[in-house]
Amino acid sequence: AQKVTQAQTEISVVEKEDVTLDCVYETRDTTYYLFWYKQPPSGELVFLIRRNSFDEQNEISGRYSWNFQKSTSSFNFTITASQVVDSAVYFCALSEGDTPLVFGKGTRLSVIA
Amino acid sequence: GAVVSQHPSWVICKSGTSVKIECRSLDFQATTMFWYRQFPKQSLMLMATSNEGSKATYEQGVEKDKFLINHASLTLSTLTVTSAHPEDSSFYICSATMGPLELYSNQPQHFGDGTRLSIL
Repeated sequence: AQKVTQAQTEISVVEKEDVTLDCVYETRDTTYYLFWYKQPPSGELVFLIRRNSFDEQNEISGRYSWNFQKSTSSFNFTITASQVVDSAVYFCALSEGDTPLVFGKGTRLSVIA
Repeated sequence: GAVVSQHPSWVICKSGTSVKIECRSLDFQATTMFWYRQFPKQSLMLMATSNEGSKATYEQGVEKDKFLINHASLTLSTLTVTSAHPEDSSFYICSATMGPLELYSNQPQHFGDGTRLSIL
């Protein structure tokens, strides 16, 4: 069975600080896909990244970076030099092939000016 | 591309009313659509999976007679909350996929903007 754990319920940082959001997953499949979504207060889900299980390369996109480690079943997300606009709920999700996404409980990030 | 439109974005109605939410794929054909529900400060929970032209598959604990799903075309799925009660108040989000064609794409599921349902 698939499971995604985001142990951090809420995080509060001061603007310009770096912050890492943790994600640990469980799956029995060797082929799977990991995602991060941002949900601002308006509610819509904003797609951030997708990673497949065969690609462990870390990725950087602007201030965002992701660290995928199969050895620890983790897919952590780091925001560097955080900004107020980064305040949102962030969800990590898992899919095994074409199955529906299973979401973690989310981490609410508050960036204080 | 790959835009999903969800309507209405917000609805408030009296207890006992039935409410229909539409999910449309605007520029692609969605072989599969998913319906999720999100209670305040909680995660998204999958309610059901619908494939065009067939009956929806509901997740355990979701009442299929309460939440009617119709996926009559490749671009439209509807969720009807029948005889809604205050406990049905939630944020409902749909997503659509072209199915196996998107298996290797960067973003296999495309989400609507959600519908906030408030039952008084």
